[in-house]
Amino acid sequence: GAGVSQTPSNKVTEKGKYVELRCDPISGHTALYWYRQSLGQGPEFLIYFQGTGAADDSGLPNDRFFAVRPEGSVSTLKIQRTERGDSAVYLCASSPPGTSGSQEQFFGPGTRLTVL
Amino acid sequence: GESVGLHLPTLSVQEGDNSIINCAYSNSASDYFIWYKQESGKGPQFIIDIRSNMDKRQGQRVTVLLNKTVKHLSLQIAATQPGDSAVYFCAENSGGSNYKLTFGKGTLLTVNP
Repeated sequence: GAGVSQTPSNKVTEKGKYVELRCDPISGHTALYWYRQSLGQGPEFLIYFQGTGAADDSGLPNDRFFAVRPEGSVSTLKIQRTERGDSAVYLCASSPPGTSGSQEQFFGPGTRLTVL
Repeated sequence: GESVGLHLPTLSVQEGDNSIINCAYSNSASDYFIWYKQESGKGPQFIIDIRSNMDKRQGQRVTVLLNKTVKHLSLQIAATQPGDSAVYFCAENSGGSNYKLTFGKGTLLTVNP
């Protein structure tokens, strides 16, 4: 079946520009996560959605970063006034509904963002 | 295992050998642990998980061991194959969170034919 998909796969932008990164989770998955992965590092948590609402956005580095999931499926990560330090791979993951406890997170291939 | 510097820990093995990748996790309240495999240009791929009420779990060619006393996790891969070459990450649910994973830095496994 179809996994998590992310578009674009690569994005090159200039410092100060606005970018949007899209994530299509696995159908039926209610939870959606965004992570950021810098070169040589493990993914770092950014934000978690349960349905349409952001249940935890504590990982967003500052107010230039924002994410939405208006219909509880597709999510968009938005970055304003991009900086060179925002360059990284942005990973999206989703997981199925669960009654309790942690659930396996299924990751997409990521969007590689390069800020020049 | 975990690195305190900028360089990724590496493990090089011969095809057919067994591999052991180690990880020290940070939060004693974490109760769910996962090993992910990440190939170049791809997202992390689930390998195996274990909950804190267990100390060992086996999958196909893989075994995860959990030692809560010293906060240590290991991944054993039997009969390592060239296709196993990748970066391996351990992850913990931060402090028992139902959703937030904290990843280790990763270990680069290279399998020589």
